[in-house]
Amino acid sequence: EIVLTQSPGTLSLSPGERATLSCRASQSVSSNYLAWYQQKPGQAPRLLISGASSRATGIPDRFSGSGSGTDFTLTISRLEPEDFAVYYCQQYGSSPPLFTFGPGTKVDIK
Amino acid sequence: QVQLVQSGAEVKKPGASVKVSCKASGYTFTSYGLNWVRQAPGQGLEWMGWISGYNGNTNYAQKLQGRVTMTTDTSTSTVYMELRSLRSDDTAVYYCTRTSGDHAFDIWGQGTMVIVSS
Repeated sequence: EIVLTQSPGTLSLSPGERATLSCRASQSVSSNYLAWYQQKPGQAPRLLISGASSRATGIPDRFSGSGSGTDFTLTISRLEPEDFAVYYCQQYGSSPPLFTFGPGTKVDIK
Repeated sequence: QVQLVQSGAEVKKPGASVKVSCKASGYTFTSYGLNWVRQAPGQGLEWMGWISGYNGNTNYAQKLQGRVTMTTDTSTSTVYMELRSLRSDDTAVYYCTRTSGDHAFDIWGQGTMVIVSS
């Protein structure tokens, strides 16, 4: 089973700053099937990035994903007020379980 | 537009069962798989299982094996998730979500709150 670890647990930043979120897998993620989601209170998660680096439809270009193998990064180049939320990474694997999520990183206002 | 619309909130007693529905629209139902993901209050996301919209094949999370059943009704483009022998720690918001071509979850339902309480 692949375990995803996200760091930091909480990131306190000001609007306009750059946010760098890490997702580390216990084993290599097959074909870089790694996705990132944003979740705001009371809302369903929203897909930001799939395939480690492809922005989903309608996602602003201040969001970018990178990495391969076991180390992945979500970068928000300049935080907007609406970006303060919890971010989850998720991987797809060929062995059970089919999908796993990381524990999340909360980005809050400093 | 592409959307998933789930059934309403449920309150159940421990030991009971719950069945949540998720109706898909705006795309070809049989071309995609659907997943169920749950989130306990204040906690992270937990993947529960996947079902093929094409042939109804399933893959469940090991911890829920034997308690969960996912089914489809292609005539109404609806997916169902039944969870049996409910416990208090099954209290959560349950989401259905579509699997995209690169195995990400690109469309999410609005969520269904299930409360298990005596």
